[in-house]
Amino acid sequence: AQSVTQPDIHITVSEGASLELRCNYSYGATPYLFWYVQSPGQGLQLLLKYFSGDTLVQGIKGFEAEFKRSQSSFNLRKPSVHWSDAAEYFCAVGARGDNNNDMRFGAGTRLTVKP
Amino acid sequence: NAGVMQNPRHLVRRRGQEARLRCSPMKGHSHVYWYRQLPEEGLKFMVYLQKENIIDESGMPKERFSAEFPKEGPSILRIQQVVRGDSAAYFCASSPRSGQIYNSPLHFGNGTRLTVT
Repeated sequence: AQSVTQPDIHITVSEGASLELRCNYSYGATPYLFWYVQSPGQGLQLLLKYFSGDTLVQGIKGFEAEFKRSQSSFNLRKPSVHWSDAAEYFCAVGARGDNNNDMRFGAGTRLTVKP
Repeated sequence: NAGVMQNPRHLVRRRGQEARLRCSPMKGHSHVYWYRQLPEEGLKFMVYLQKENIIDESGMPKERFSAEFPKEGPSILRIQQVVRGDSAAYFCASSPRSGQIYNSPLHFGNGTRLTVT
């Protein structure tokens, strides 16, 4: 089964600084990859997804992520962080198949933004 | 355009009581998923249901937990005889159909935070 690792539990960046959140996956084939964001007390909102094609994926709120097969990674980036980006970010990997429930989530990275 | 609705938002139960968590999927969605989130852990899949049918309950604990998604009404996650370890956030997600995750990523509710005292 697929799995996903987010090595950083907590990251702090200054407002206006660039951001990169790491995500590594384990899967025998090309996976479906997702990043979700969770604001405090809220559910998860989809930021972006990768299924095939261009390995650099653009999402909402100015986020992007790059699929690197050789590194089994799907890191999330943003060139300039805003205070409103403070939240928890989850990477998820889905198996290519018929079962939506095959999505596995990482433990999350909590982002703090310093003024 | 209501999203996935979960209630209650917060639920407090004493040990041994029953907890009932409700989830109404987005309009037009017929597939519901339940996830559990423990502090500093990711979302753990529990169960996947269609109307009147449990598709996959491989993530459900073998005892005390059950789920249903009746023809009419919301999906219900039921936890009987709750214990302190059941304290967590429980999220429901819905999608319009299965087998096409690339077209229908999951839409999540805001969760129910269960506290067992």
